[in-house]
Amino acid sequence: GQSLEQPSEVTAVEGAIVQINCTYQTSGFYGLSWYQQHDGGAPTFLSYNALDGLEETGRFSSFLSRSDSYGYLLLQELQMKDSASYFCAVSTRNDYKLSFGAGTTVTVRA
Amino acid sequence: NAGVTQTPKFRVLKTGQSMTLLCAQDMNHEYMYWYRQDPGMGLRLIHYSVGEGTTAKGEVPDGYNVSRLKKQNFLLGLESAAPSQTSVYFCASSYDGQSSYNEQFFGPGTRLTVL
Repeated sequence: GQSLEQPSEVTAVEGAIVQINCTYQTSGFYGLSWYQQHDGGAPTFLSYNALDGLEETGRFSSFLSRSDSYGYLLLQELQMKDSASYFCAVSTRNDYKLSFGAGTTVTVRA
Repeated sequence: NAGVTQTPKFRVLKTGQSMTLLCAQDMNHEYMYWYRQDPGMGLRLIHYSVGEGTTAKGEVPDGYNVSRLKKQNFLLGLESAAPSQTSVYFCASSYDGQSSYNEQFFGPGTRLTVL
């Protein structure tokens, strides 16, 4: 099976930078995805890393190190609307499904 | 495009009752998924389908059944509801032959309470 660990909560002020770490244990690792979920809403896709390195999409970046079984999501120039839960998820070869972590609740304060 | 839609949005059941949750997508996606989300536990996969007429068990399949008779629809059934099945249920879909299956599109959720 798969196991993922990520912090349960992070609090930061507007304009700050937040890094959400995700460590995983899985056999047949294929890639790491990140999803955002606002309270009461549906999860939405943010990013996907299959190779080592940093992927940047606007204020959000995602990093993967396959050798360390580790990745992170970086939120820059935090805004109030970034207050949400963030989930990392792993995919394994040829099974077309994701296993999600328990999620990190990010609270942005003025 | 409506994306992924779920019916109903809310439901209250008594223990032992049955019900079917309907998921529909208009993006011509091959893969569809049913998850449940409980506080502090993230999303757990119940069942999924990699194409019309196919289904497979996920992480927590007990007490649920599914069917994918049409490519655009994925049904989740509870034959005899139990209080432990009180949860928020999300349907998702992915992969139109070009995009990655890792980019899943989620419906708005069904909030189910079993008394």
